[in-house]
Amino acid sequence: AQSVSQHNHHVILSEAASLELGCNYSYGGTVNLFWYVQYPGQHLQLLLKYFSGDPLVKGIKGFEAEFIKSKFSFNLRKPSVQWSDTAEYFCAVNARTGGFKTIFGAGTRLFVKA
Amino acid sequence: NAGVTQTPKFQVLKTGQSMTLQCAQDMNHNSMYWYRQDPGMGLRLIYYSASEGTTDKGEVPNGYNVSRLNKREFSLRLESAAPSQTSVYFCASSEAWQKVDGYTFGSGTRLTVV
Repeated sequence: AQSVSQHNHHVILSEAASLELGCNYSYGGTVNLFWYVQYPGQHLQLLLKYFSGDPLVKGIKGFEAEFIKSKFSFNLRKPSVQWSDTAEYFCAVNARTGGFKTIFGAGTRLFVKA
Repeated sequence: NAGVTQTPKFQVLKTGQSMTLQCAQDMNHNSMYWYRQDPGMGLRLIYYSASEGTTDKGEVPNGYNVSRLNKREFSLRLESAAPSQTSVYFCASSEAWQKVDGYTFGSGTRLTVV
């Protein structure tokens, strides 16, 4: 079955530490990839997206993600996290082979210690 | 401000009661979606409407019905609520079904069924 896997359910970092959140998907063919962020008590907001072209995409607030087709991965990174990055992060995939339904991963809760 | 508006924000139901969650978007988007968010499971698609006049089942449609009232509005109905439907419900929209440029989410409805 087609799925989206996020490796870490909970991550705790200190401010200024580097962040990498893993995301793998099982879809074949062309995929559209997304990372969303949900700050405490808020709705999901789009952080960044990949459709085609340069596999390294940059989003808002200093986040970036790298699409590695051979590994079916789309990992999220940030060189130096801030306390305000405390949130839940969701990877999502939309693909023709999935009927264009966007499927979300289970999410990773990030807590950044001040 | 343009966006997706959901009502109500909070609701408590008794088992067996019915209710309708309302969603409206003012971005002239063609496609609308209902997701439920449960801890450790991410967002799961309940129903979607690729365009006005069409609706289709997502991953977890049992116990729910939807109505695409017009291009702006997409409601979700629980005919006989069950404790398993305790969740946070998010409505989302996108410009078009096959041109997914990311979703815009509403602020959510926190539903408790007792």
